[in-house]
Amino acid sequence: GQQVMQIPQYQHVQEGEDFTTYCNSSTTLSNIQWYKQRPGGHPVFLIQLVKSGEVKKQKRLTFQFGEAKKNSSLHITATQTTDVGTYFCAGPHNYGQNFVFGPGTRLSVLP
Amino acid sequence: GAVVSQHPSWVICKSGTSVKIECRSLDFQATTMFWYRQFPKQSLMLMATSNEGSKATYEQGVEKDKFLINHASLTLSTLTVTSAHPEDSSFYICSARGQVSYNEQFFGPGTRLTVL
Repeated sequence: GQQVMQIPQYQHVQEGEDFTTYCNSSTTLSNIQWYKQRPGGHPVFLIQLVKSGEVKKQKRLTFQFGEAKKNSSLHITATQTTDVGTYFCAGPHNYGQNFVFGPGTRLSVLP
Repeated sequence: GAVVSQHPSWVICKSGTSVKIECRSLDFQATTMFWYRQFPKQSLMLMATSNEGSKATYEQGVEKDKFLINHASLTLSTLTVTSAHPEDSSFYICSARGQVSYNEQFFGPGTRLTVL
């Protein structure tokens, strides 16, 4: 079946360092979404990418959708302690209305 | 932004009892609601998708007779865990999607269920 994978599983960085998480799908995606879940909280929608090769920026966050629409990345420049949490990518399940979530990348930022 | 609430936020029950969890969209009409289960430090696992006024679509491996879902209105969906057992202990999260921002899911705060 369809699988969405993410690497790394965990990432520890010093405050101010950059961070990147990668998302790979076993199938081509019509779109991909990114969510952030703070410890003890619920997932919060960050962004959706639709076009092949699309790049979107939100302040220090840069999101990219691969040309083949099977992979995506989230890059955070100069991490801050407020960036701590788990970042999930999610892709539509077989072009249906629900989404398959990746396992997430847990980011910890040391002050 | 759109707000989704869940009630209760935390529940402890004895094995064999049933527990009902409510998910409400507070400021928008949710045409579709999703129910997820999340184990500690793991990803969200979709359990079922429900559209208002129709039967829920369950993911493979999820027992529909054990996890009863009702989506009676555009602002309320309920998940009932019937005859709960300790292995049902988990974090249950709902999300809702409306007509305004069709692709964006708004998540509830989650319900932590502990079955003794």
